[in-house]
Amino acid sequence: GENVEQHPSTLSVQEGDSAVIKCTYSDSASNYFPWYKQELGKRPQLIIDIRSNVGEKKDQRIAVTLNKTAKHFSLHITETQPEDSAVYFCAAPPGYDYKLSFGAGTTVTVRA
Amino acid sequence: DTEVTQTPKHLVMGMTNKKSLKCEQHMGHRAMYWYKQKAKKPPELMFVYSYEKLSINESVPSRFSPECPNSSLLNLHLHALQPEDSALYLCASSQDGGSGANVLTFGAGSRLTVL
Repeated sequence: GENVEQHPSTLSVQEGDSAVIKCTYSDSASNYFPWYKQELGKRPQLIIDIRSNVGEKKDQRIAVTLNKTAKHFSLHITETQPEDSAVYFCAAPPGYDYKLSFGAGTTVTVRA
Repeated sequence: DTEVTQTPKHLVMGMTNKKSLKCEQHMGHRAMYWYKQKAKKPPELMFVYSYEKLSINESVPSRFSPECPNSSLLNLHLHALQPEDSALYLCASSQDGGSGANVLTFGAGSRLTVL
């Protein structure tokens, strides 16, 4: 199956600064890489995803980059705001499987 | 309707009780999932239904029994649970179940406490 490693496990940033979370995966056939945000006591929600035919995708203050050769992908949050405080999970499915493997999660705290 | 609705939000049960968790979606999604989530951990897949058929059982103990009465509903029947089964149970759905490359829409979860 797919093995997804996520770093760092915790990240504290000053409001307005950038945050970067990195994930590595093991299955070279993986072709879809979503990021989910889970605020305290709430459901995980998809915030951005990327498919293997592109190297970067942006949506306002968030972006995801993918390096298929190195088998890693990263979430970038710019101009962080207090509402960005949450746990962020990366995920990747094996090449031909239903199961989405989640990373261990990164707890992001934005300091005012 | 773009939501997955789960009931109940909270459930406390004894180890000899029988209870059920319910999940409903009206987005026309053909795959539905049960995940278990412990505090500060990622969701762990339990079951996947694709086109109303059980397609994945991640070696879940038989005290958890899923049921998919139709394409909009998913139940999780609970019986003789252990305290370590206390967790947040998340239901999710996706447009189809053909692969893992599907956007998951999660419900708000049912917080289960087993005494």
